[in-house]
Amino acid sequence: GAGVSQSPRYKVAKRGQDVALRCDPISGHVSLFWYQQALGQGPEFLTYFQNEAQLDKSGLPSDRFFAERPEGSVSTLKIQRTQQEDSAVYLCASSLGAGSPLHFGNGTRLTVT
Amino acid sequence: GESVGLHLPTLSVQEGDNSIINCAYSNSASDYFIWYKQESGKGPQFIIDIRSNMDKRQGQRVTVLLNKTVKHLSLQIAATQPGDSAVYFCAEIINAGNMLTFGGGTRLMVKP
Repeated sequence: GAGVSQSPRYKVAKRGQDVALRCDPISGHVSLFWYQQALGQGPEFLTYFQNEAQLDKSGLPSDRFFAERPEGSVSTLKIQRTQQEDSAVYLCASSLGAGSPLHFGNGTRLTVT
Repeated sequence: GESVGLHLPTLSVQEGDNSIINCAYSNSASDYFIWYKQESGKGPQFIIDIRSNMDKRQGQRVTVLLNKTVKHLSLQIAATQPGDSAVYFCAEIINAGNMLTFGGGTRLMVKP
């Protein structure tokens, strides 16, 4: 497909479980971003990759959050020992690089019960 | 799907009227601005962008105006249609960087 693809679309996890969220960026896009969006709020930055290098992870809320992009394409956001406050939509975006618009996927809605 | 914009300011317009959505920013180092449209259950969709060396840019039915003096950005939608109903976010990039920071959104409701 031509757009950013995220899976799963919905994820329900029991508190304490680990989850892994996947992002397939647009082919050729070197920059990849993860954002977290709470209900009724704008997206909040989590982390940023340029190719396989994680250049900024200042937005990750705790050390339970971990992201990787080992081959500079697909990325995975992992959340360990999920808590209720982790419930949100997790958005992935990609771009051609600095100064280019970000293109977003439709997100993964995580609900922690 | 989930409802985006439950607690956001709302602009209600009649179909066919023009809409103006406003956004204020605070960082004078912001040099690239983007408007996104987000429908319920979907990710933000790029609408139009503008760089800080411009004060106006037009697309199809949309115009973005940038006033750097008062740090204000607006999105004008001509002949608003029911399909324009969504939450609209402005976003900025600072110092030619990569990170996009979103402002507060506005929910646009179009009455038929």
